[in-house]
Amino acid sequence: QVQLVQSGAEVKKPGASVKVSCKASGYTFTDYYMHWVRQAPGQGFEWMGWVIPNSGGTNYAQKFQGRVTMTRDTSISTAYMELSRLRSDDTAVYYCARGDVYYGLDVWGQGTTVTVSS
Amino acid sequence: EIVLTQSPGTLSLSPGERAILSCRASQSVNSIYLAWFQQKPGQAPRLLIYGASSRATGIPDRFSGSGSGTDFTLTISRLEPEDFAVYYCQQYGSSPITFGQGTRLEIK
Repeated sequence: QVQLVQSGAEVKKPGASVKVSCKASGYTFTDYYMHWVRQAPGQGFEWMGWVIPNSGGTNYAQKFQGRVTMTRDTSISTAYMELSRLRSDDTAVYYCARGDVYYGLDVWGQGTTVTVSS
Repeated sequence: EIVLTQSPGTLSLSPGERAILSCRASQSVNSIYLAWFQQKPGQAPRLLIYGASSRATGIPDRFSGSGSGTDFTLTISRLEPEDFAVYYCQQYGSSPITFGQGTRLEIK
């Protein structure tokens, strides 16, 4: 079955970086965009951007430009999201989600909790 | 950026009742790119509706979506106990992708 499995929870200090992975299975990894979305505690969703697994092309939300890097390794069907210069308000659950042109974000990972605290 | 505003913030209903959730956009959304999600505590979102009115795979037919332009609706015809959750609308036709703030559907 189609599945996205993310890496485990992280605790980071302010100013540090975090890299979250998302391993895809059950479909052709290069056929779909991979999006990243976050959800702060008790809040709604915030779209961060996408990476095109085929080409490596990216599109980042303006809010995160300069701090986020989305990459992929097609040999292991895995996408990555790295966020730098972490602040306390980056504490959130980070999700990867498969993007389909018609269905939108149709398959989601289980989420990775990132806690930023001194 | 397209801002999506959902109403009501909280909806209190009983099992068997009908739920009507609203999503209003700050500018016109191509209905091909309007989706609804359900999220339960501690879980990832689950796609219910895409293209404003098409049910995702495995979604029961008590869930239906409608609307166009700036006004969209999710209707749950007869609430089951497992339907009590938070619902979000989302537009994915314009960058940045945006979400509504959610409607909490709670048991009355």
